[in-house]
Amino acid sequence: EAQVTQNPRYLITVTGKKLTVTCSQNMNHEYMSWYRQDPGLGLRQIYYSMNVEVTDKGDVPEGYKVSRKEKRNFPLILESPSPNQTSLYFCASRSDTESFFGQGTRLTVV
Amino acid sequence: AQTVTQSQPEMSVQEAETVTLSCTYDTSESNYYLFWYKQPPSRQMILVIRQEAYKQQNATENRFSVNFQKAAKSFSLKISDSQLGDTAMYFCAFMKPVGNQFYFGTGTSLTVIP
Repeated sequence: EAQVTQNPRYLITVTGKKLTVTCSQNMNHEYMSWYRQDPGLGLRQIYYSMNVEVTDKGDVPEGYKVSRKEKRNFPLILESPSPNQTSLYFCASRSDTESFFGQGTRLTVV
Repeated sequence: AQTVTQSQPEMSVQEAETVTLSCTYDTSESNYYLFWYKQPPSRQMILVIRQEAYKQQNATENRFSVNFQKAAKSFSLKISDSQLGDTAMYFCAFMKPVGNQFYFGTGTSLTVIP
């Protein structure tokens, strides 16, 4: 079954404590992205990757890092989380015709 | 830059009735894809319907259909015979076939009333 798997689903952390949200896809897609969803703002792209070792900033990259060492994995790293990064995060993997989303990660930074 | 606008933050419809959700977009591209995604309370993003810009025929998936007006850059979603399970947030999205460009609207919260 084609899927995008992200973990964890829920995470509560404290300000400044580094965290990583993992994302893995089994469709051999080259393109992967991270989005954050906030009320009234829809989904906004944080970072994207067009292939292994190729990443670039999206619309809201501040405070985030990513890496793409293998095609299937695209982790999102928050080196020093702050409360304004409390949000719902989605990883996505896309073909030429469609984007597939993970289940979402609800992150709360206190 | 591409933008996607959903002007209806909230809508409601009686069960079994028909409702139309609006979406407009702005692009200079001629080849692209448009989508409607459903996000129920489970938060999962579920693809409802997809439209390819070079196809004039409007896409249909069971009770869901679109009215795609390329010249007007309009892409509305019609839900017929609304069901309680249709209650969700609906996002309109735009995608170019190549590159990273995938843009979402701000969403329309639809409530189906029994």
